[in-house]
Amino acid sequence: GIQVEQSPPDLILQEGANSTLRCNFSDSVNNLQWFHQNPWGQLINLFYIPSGTKQNGRLSATTVATERYSLLYISSSQTTDSGVYFCAGGGTNAGKSTFGDGTTLTVKP
Amino acid sequence: KAGVTQTPRYLIKTRGQQVTLSCSPISGHRSVSWYQQTPGQGLQFLFEYFSETQRNKGNFPGRFSGRQFSNSRSEMNVSTLELGDSALYLCASSLEPQGGTQYFGPGTRLLVL
Repeated sequence: GIQVEQSPPDLILQEGANSTLRCNFSDSVNNLQWFHQNPWGQLINLFYIPSGTKQNGRLSATTVATERYSLLYISSSQTTDSGVYFCAGGGTNAGKSTFGDGTTLTVKP
Repeated sequence: KAGVTQTPRYLIKTRGQQVTLSCSPISGHRSVSWYQQTPGQGLQFLFEYFSETQRNKGNFPGRFSGRQFSNSRSEMNVSTLELGDSALYLCASSLEPQGGTQYFGPGTRLLVL
């Protein structure tokens, strides 16, 4: 099956700093998503981005499908951005997604 | 629209018991997927249902089963519980299984004693 590698595993930032999270896939994926898991365990979908670039406020994501990686950018980070960020992907079936191990982001005031 | 709902939110069981978890997808969504999250194994795919049919199953023992009803609500059952089944069980819904955004419920935290 598809292997998903996320980096870095942990990231500590000061409020206001920018960051880049990376996700590498072992094979081509047709469906790629980024999620944020809050301290209560809720997974929030940030982007559905099988290819190209999308932006939503301070967050943006870029997927280069031909090179099997995706990047999540967080600008002007806030303490509420803390949590675990996951990327997930699969083949033609989005319902069967393989998740990476996540990047734990801590934003300090 | 209401989001994905899962019941119960918390559950404590003892080894050998069985448990049933419920998931109601977003209205209009016909695909429901289940995932298990543990500190050691991360997020792992359990199974996916679409139009009352199981389309995919992850690498879990037969003690884990599920079903989907005609209104798209889904249940998963774990029989003969083991300590290692303690986990956060997450349900996700999407419009179609072939692509698109998955929306997750708040999860059910299961503790097996």
